[in-house]
Amino acid sequence: ETGVTQTPRHLVMGMTNKKSLKCEQHLGHNAMYWYKQSAKKPLELMFVYNFKEQTENNSVPSRFSPECPNSSHLFLHLHTLQPEDSALYLCASSQGSLSYEQYFGPGTRLTVT
Amino acid sequence: GQQLNQSPQSMFIQEGEDVSMNCTSSSIFNTWLWYKQDPGEGPVLLIALYKAGELTSNGRLTAQFGITRKDSFLNISASIPSDVGIYFCAGAYGQNFVFGPGTRLSVLP
Repeated sequence: ETGVTQTPRHLVMGMTNKKSLKCEQHLGHNAMYWYKQSAKKPLELMFVYNFKEQTENNSVPSRFSPECPNSSHLFLHLHTLQPEDSALYLCASSQGSLSYEQYFGPGTRLTVT
Repeated sequence: GQQLNQSPQSMFIQEGEDVSMNCTSSSIFNTWLWYKQDPGEGPVLLIALYKAGELTSNGRLTAQFGITRKDSFLNISASIPSDVGIYFCAGAYGQNFVFGPGTRLSVLP
């Protein structure tokens, strides 16, 4: 138990669906991250939030829309996804965005059909 | 952009053996971190290194920050079945933070 929870753990959605992934951290951290993990590829950083403000968006398609209402919660809203978006989506948190010691949640395994 | 290479990509060892793996880059980093990921879980931070030449241990794990600042090494002594998983290195320099592709470790009883 790392203090970072993610729901749901598994999600299957069609390309026309809209769904949201949720992440919550109980560590008192100020920065939160979304990563995409695909088979045989390094972890890809998608978004960074520091004190609820988005500080990084690594050229992520607009069909992925993050939301950070407060320092403890992070959402990833999904719409009109493609099959190649199927992956493990990991949330992480750290003390601040320049703290490299990130703590990860268990991930959401997303399958787009 | 900055990239990390990890070797070996995968390894099979006998329980009780020692393990060595490394992470290299053509770029300099100020911080090296090592994570382990179990199947169906997120990566867990094992060791963080902040100074060139630094050698840090965490139980049976020992990691070193290479003197050139372009590499790092992780050793596991006396491996046990629960060491199975994927080991990722990560390098950081300023606001740049990148993960390696991982080394997959299998431990045979």
